[in-house]
Formats: sequence, structure tokens, C-alpha cells
Amino acid sequence: QKEVEQDPGPLSVPEGAIVSLNCTYSNSAFQYFMWYRQYSRKGPELLMYTYSSGNKEDGRFTAQVDKSSKYISLFIRDSQPSDSATYLCAMRPGSSNTGKLIFGQGTTLQVKP
Amino acid sequence: NAGVTQTPKFRILKIGQSMTLQCAQDMNHNYMYWYRQDPGMGLKLIYYSVGAGITDKGEVPNGYNVSRSTTEDFPLRLELAAPSQTSVYFCASSYNGGTGNTIYFGEGSWLTVV
Repeated sequence: QKEVEQDPGPLSVPEGAIVSLNCTYSNSAFQYFMWYRQYSRKGPELLMYTYSSGNKEDGRFTAQVDKSSKYISLFIRDSQPSDSATYLCAMRPGSSNTGKLIFGQGTTLQVKP
Repeated sequence: NAGVTQTPKFRILKIGQSMTLQCAQDMNHNYMYWYRQDPGMGLKLIYYSVGAGITDKGEVPNGYNVSRSTTEDFPLRLELAAPSQTSVYFCASSYNGGTGNTIYFGEGSWLTVV
């Protein structure tokens, strides 16, 4: 079993839709949870970061962490064609001070005008 | 401010050849990383460094070597290239490794081994 599982998609939605992206994980030691966005032929860039459980909102983006279910989500409201990218979840244990991240496989999202 | 710079962007290698992927950062970050990304597999950590002169293995270090002689540079060496090393390689850096620091990635190096 992979430590982090993410549905690779692809996911295609119309402009303005609400998008839900999800990851599950098996390591209960994970405390830091991140979402990266990666445009085609580019490096990943940090979109959202959450420590432990709870929600975090930034504009049209909301990150949720449910540690009891080992499940994290990223919601995108009013999706735009510019949101078309691959979204990668990443996480690491709280005890780790090396910055090493465990990534999901990435979900490819296409938002159609 | 260039961030993390990788060269070359694209390279084709023959089986058994060797090469070095260059990585430089100008943010005075002490932590640097090399990841590889294969289709549908996410990113896997190859090697990382917590400071000049200190390196350690990640998840998939076999077939690679690194060195960190300066804070700015973290080259990745491929010895005896194999088709399994065909991948996209990303260098990254961060200021310390703990407490939710942002990891900045370079634009990637596309390597094909034939």
C-alpha cells in the first residue's frame, strides 16, 4: 500500500464548477499537509499548507484535513480555466526536521470555458 | 531573484553515459533536494542536503550521486545511465526543513536515456 494515495484523474469540469480533490494516507505520524499546483512543463508551486487537522481558506481555495479518517481535501470554488493544472498533495511527519515530503501521484484537472 | 535554476532543461543520454544535472539557488536556503517525477507516480526524493558538506539519501538514491560544496549549488550526478532513469528531475530548496517552510522547486530537467 502506498503511503499517500491520490486519484490521478483526469478530472474535467466546466468553468465555475466546484472542484474537490482528495488524498488518503496511511501514516498516522503525518502532521504537515500541503497542496502543490503544477502547470504543464513547470515545477510544482505551493498552493496551500495546513498543520494537523482543520480547515484553511485562501480566496477560492479551501484545504481540509481529517486526521481521524487520514483524508485531506482541496476545494476550488468558481473554477477558472487558469486552474487547469496537476494538483499534488504532499505531507510529512511532525517529527521530521529534514523537509522531506511524501507526494501523492497528482490529479490532472481541466477546467473548460 | 532567480529562485531555483536547473540546467540543462532537456537532455538525451545513451545507455552507460554519465552526466551532471546542475542546480543553483539564490535564496540562501540551507536545505536542498532532488526529486524525480515519473508519469502517474508523483515525486520521489532522490537525495537531500541540510547544508554545505552534508548530504543524505532519499527514497530512490540508486544510480545517483550528489555533492554540496557550497550553500548555493547542489549538482546531481548520474553514473552509467540506464533507461529506468528516464524521468523529469526537479531540484528544490527551503529555509530549514521544519515547521511548514515553503519548498521552492526549479522548472525541471527532462532526461531521456536511450
